[in-house]
Amino acid sequence: LAKTTQPISMDSYEGQEVNITCSHNNIATNDYITWYQQFPSQGPRFIIQGYKTKVTNEVASLFIPADRKSSTLSLPRVSLSDTAVYYCLVGDIDNAGNMLTFGGGTRLMVKP
Amino acid sequence: DTGVSQDPRHKITKRGQNVTFRCDPISEHNRLYWYRQTLGQGPEFLTYFQNEAQLEKSRLLSDRFSAERPKGSFSTLEIQRTEQGDSAMYLCASSLAWNSYNEQFFGPGTRLTVL
Repeated sequence: LAKTTQPISMDSYEGQEVNITCSHNNIATNDYITWYQQFPSQGPRFIIQGYKTKVTNEVASLFIPADRKSSTLSLPRVSLSDTAVYYCLVGDIDNAGNMLTFGGGTRLMVKP
Repeated sequence: DTGVSQDPRHKITKRGQNVTFRCDPISEHNRLYWYRQTLGQGPEFLTYFQNEAQLEKSRLLSDRFSAERPKGSFSTLEIQRTEQGDSAMYLCASSLAWNSYNEQFFGPGTRLTVL
């Protein structure tokens, strides 16, 4: 499984754009990149998934360069409620079982 | 609420006691997963079911742990002879096999404290 590396923590202020970068140098050809969000005392929640270039949904954007060795989750205009832990996961979504492998995540603190 | 539910939300027990947790997945989901999460760490995979069949177990799942999903709907996770190291949040997730994003839907978790 491709190992991921992401910052342990980040601080931001309300209204700013936040970019969280994840390194995955050993990503395999069939691997997708997925981001989950977790609030305290809750289970993780799927945010976005991509394979290459750029993916955007109503919550976030995901930028993946051509070599796919890293990815950046972009949260536009964050609010206090975006304070959470963000996990970058890399894996083949077609593998048997599709068990998720979480790393330590990035703790985002949004300040007023 | 049609999400994943878990019961109980909190459990405090004494070392050596047995505990059982329940997970009710989203009704049409055929896959069910158990994860364990300790403070400051990401969730760790324990086991998963496709319908009623338990298809994989992590090496983290010692002989004291057993999980069942008897009718392919709800699941139970039992820990026998609990140890202090079992204290953690136990998360259940469900999904549809072969969905486009492999999106797993997590429940709120059961927080276990072993005294």
